[in-house]
Amino acid sequence: GAGVSQSPSNKVTEKGKDVELRCDPISGHTALYWYRQSLGQGLEFLIYFQGNSAPDKSGLPSDRFSAERTGGSVSTLTIQRTQQEDSAVYLCASSRSSNQPQHFGDGTRLSIL
Amino acid sequence: EDKVVQSPLSLVVHEGDTVTLNCSYEVTNFRSLLWYKQEKKAPTFLFMLTSSGIEKKSGRLSSILDKKELFSILNITATQTGDSAIYLCAGYGGATNKLIFGTGTLLAVQP
Repeated sequence: GAGVSQSPSNKVTEKGKDVELRCDPISGHTALYWYRQSLGQGLEFLIYFQGNSAPDKSGLPSDRFSAERTGGSVSTLTIQRTQQEDSAVYLCASSRSSNQPQHFGDGTRLSIL
Repeated sequence: EDKVVQSPLSLVVHEGDTVTLNCSYEVTNFRSLLWYKQEKKAPTFLFMLTSSGIEKKSGRLSSILDKKELFSILNITATQTGDSAIYLCAGYGGATNKLIFGTGTLLAVQP
């Protein structure tokens, strides 16, 4: 597709459930990023994939959060045993390389009841 | 700790006004500064600045970077209601080369 695609656009789940969020980056972009945006807050970096290098996981807030990027393209962000404070918009971005502008998807709005 | 601070936090103007949004940064291994506009969903890329003193311009929007004083400004002239959005500034760099975002400036342009 022309832009970064994320699914689902909205997800409502009960506390304690696991959720999986998907990101399809722009074709040919080697760098992929996940961010979290809470109400009134800036974008919080979560994880970064660059090509075949080991991902930079320094922003993941706890071990309940993990992400994979298969085949250098699609990425999934998994949150296990969700808690109410996980409620936020999760944004994915991709770029041609690490020092090029990042282009964002529309995000997944996650609500934990 | 790397940080990006934007001001003002919010701003209300009338159509036709000119606005200046500010962004100061403290980012180790600084490489570039980026501006994004966020309306309802995805932030959309506006500018990437790497050199001091060189203005980048796109229509009514322009931006400049001062690497000595560690700040950038985003100017919008002849504002329109469609300019209403959150404007995000981000510094690229840090120990592991990533974008560090400010909390944004919420701009509301009234007719």
